[in-house]
Amino acid sequence: SQQGEEDPQALSIQEGENATMNCSYKTSINNLQWYRQNSGRGLVHLILIRSNEREKHSGRLRVTLDTSKKSSSLLITASRAADTASYFCATGYNQGGKLIFGQGTELSVKP
Amino acid sequence: NAGVTQTPKFQVLKTGQSMTLQCAQDMNHNSMYWYRQDPGMGLRLIYYSASEGTTDKGEVPNGYNVSRLNKREFSLRLESAAPSQTSVYFCASSAPGTGTYEQYFGPGTRLTVT
Repeated sequence: SQQGEEDPQALSIQEGENATMNCSYKTSINNLQWYRQNSGRGLVHLILIRSNEREKHSGRLRVTLDTSKKSSSLLITASRAADTASYFCATGYNQGGKLIFGQGTELSVKP
Repeated sequence: NAGVTQTPKFQVLKTGQSMTLQCAQDMNHNSMYWYRQDPGMGLRLIYYSASEGTTDKGEVPNGYNVSRLNKREFSLRLESAAPSQTSVYFCASSAPGTGTYEQYFGPGTRLTVT
């Protein structure tokens, strides 16, 4: 069974707009991560937020974590056509390295 | 550094055939993982190895075996392939013992079982 549920499953926006993706999970976590996957490629790590953090920024990415609601969101600001990809949240639930991945959000940014 | 490498990139098998997927990392990571990715299912963990000499089952281990050959290499074996094992397989590594939880992924192996 998968820990993370993501919504929306697919998102289509225009270049320059912001994109928001949400992730919900079921059990207590140690950290939550977001990954990106371009078509036909491996996953690339974007950002990690620990369970004691509420918000984190990296370039055009902003991640929030609400442990009381067991949810996280990823905001990509000023999107570009090159941001077109699938985005996955993944939860780490102890000090070990195992992750449980959500089903992903497919983002399409139209020029 | 090459990061995580996987071979082969593509493979077609007939039902009942066996094969081994190879994975190697050059980042000196202790932990390594094998996932499968099916359409609409995200990634599911097959097996993982927390350190050299140890392996543990993940969410979907049936039909697979693994070997952690040394710190660099972690192989996945299909003893008798079935059509349900048609998928894209990803290997990953990380170093959670150092507080580094992000995983680094290989490019994947696309496997078709007919």
